[in-house]
Amino acid sequence: AQTIHQWPVAEIKAVGSPLSLGCTIKGKSSPNLYWYWQATGGTLQQLFYSITVGQVESVVQLNLSASRPKDDQFILSTEKLLLSHSGFYLCAWSPRGGEDTQYFGPGTRLLVL
Amino acid sequence: GQQVQQSPASLVLQEGENAELQCNFSTSLNSMQWFYQRPGGSLVSLFYNPSGTKHSGRLTSTTVIKERRSSLHISSSQTTDSGTYLCAWIASSSFSKLVFGQGTSLSVVP
Repeated sequence: AQTIHQWPVAEIKAVGSPLSLGCTIKGKSSPNLYWYWQATGGTLQQLFYSITVGQVESVVQLNLSASRPKDDQFILSTEKLLLSHSGFYLCAWSPRGGEDTQYFGPGTRLLVL
Repeated sequence: GQQVQQSPASLVLQEGENAELQCNFSTSLNSMQWFYQRPGGSLVSLFYNPSGTKHSGRLTSTTVIKERRSSLHISSSQTTDSGTYLCAWIASSSFSKLVFGQGTSLSVVP
């Protein structure tokens, strides 16, 4: 069975500080990977997707970056956090060449002060 | 404009009542997915439903492609059904792009 793990569970960070959020998928080779963001009370938005190691495409510009250093790992980061980065970050995967359905991780809640 | 419209925005039910949640899409529908978002924020996939009707326990999803809409029916609601229900349009491309609606917040009271 596939499992998806996100870390950390929650973070409180200062404006201007760096951020790194992680996501790993176990039990599935070469998945498509995605990052989503949801502001408090807002709509979920897809931020990035990756269909292979080393390749990441941006969907929405939020002064964030993403990388896929390994087949099963997806990283979301920024060097300088903004207040507007607060919210809930979700990682998801879908099978390559299969159904479009996506499976989501437990999420990371971020508060920027 | 909003590509995915959900209605109602919020709903309060007495336990045991039924609910019908709607999702309308402004563009051609390739596929769609229904999710339940727990109060803590994590998502549970309920249905991947590109067309037709699907059942899972007390839940039924019906998607009508040519009318660009999908519905989620909850029968005999329970307090544990409380939370936010999200629908998402799945764009067809080399990757799976989900465009979410704003959600329906459901509260089931005893």
